[in-house]
Amino acid sequence: AQTVTQSQPEMSVQEAETVTLSCTYDTSESNYYLFWYKQPPSRQMILVIRQEAYKQQNATENRFSVNFQKAAKSFSLKISDSQLGDTAMYFCAFISTGTASKLTFGTGTRLQVTL
Amino acid sequence: NAGVMQNPRHLVRRRGQEARLRCSPVKGHSHVYWYRQLPEEGLKFMVYLQKENIIDESGMPKERFSAEFPKEGPSILRIQQVVRGDSAAYFCASSPQDGRWAETQYFGPGTRLLVL
Repeated sequence: AQTVTQSQPEMSVQEAETVTLSCTYDTSESNYYLFWYKQPPSRQMILVIRQEAYKQQNATENRFSVNFQKAAKSFSLKISDSQLGDTAMYFCAFISTGTASKLTFGTGTRLQVTL
Repeated sequence: NAGVMQNPRHLVRRRGQEARLRCSPVKGHSHVYWYRQLPEEGLKFMVYLQKENIIDESGMPKERFSAEFPKEGPSILRIQQVVRGDSAAYFCASSPQDGRWAETQYFGPGTRLLVL
């Protein structure tokens, strides 16, 4: 069974600064995908970024980038130039390509962006 | 393109009543997933369906819960004889049948169920 661990329940960052959210996972699969989802106060789940495990290059989406360390099973999210609208819960998630069914989520990190 | 639609957004039921949650996937998506989020927790997988078939229901309680995705119409998650512990946010997600983004799931806004 896969597990996803987010060890930072809460984090805070000042506007325009950079913050990194941590995520580790455990799996015996070799082919899988990793995701970061954002859940703002509206509680809508919004896809932030995804990473294919077979790709060595780290994914980037504008101000969001990941540091994917496959051997260490680590998948951190870096948010640059933080904005007030980035305030949200951030969930790391895993899915294996074999089953392509259920996402396994971490417990989330609550990020507060302050002035 | 319309995203995943869920209704109702909020649902209040008394103990013992039935709750029926609806989900319309993204147009062209044939895979539907249901997840439950208890207060202050992450999302937990419940069931995975394709049109007219349940593919994986390993996360769904054996009793009182059922799900369907008929050939025509939305997917339905049904909870019979609700109890207070069923109070949660229920999210539906969909993904395309195949292609490069097949593994990416797009979520609806969720249905908040409150059982009194």
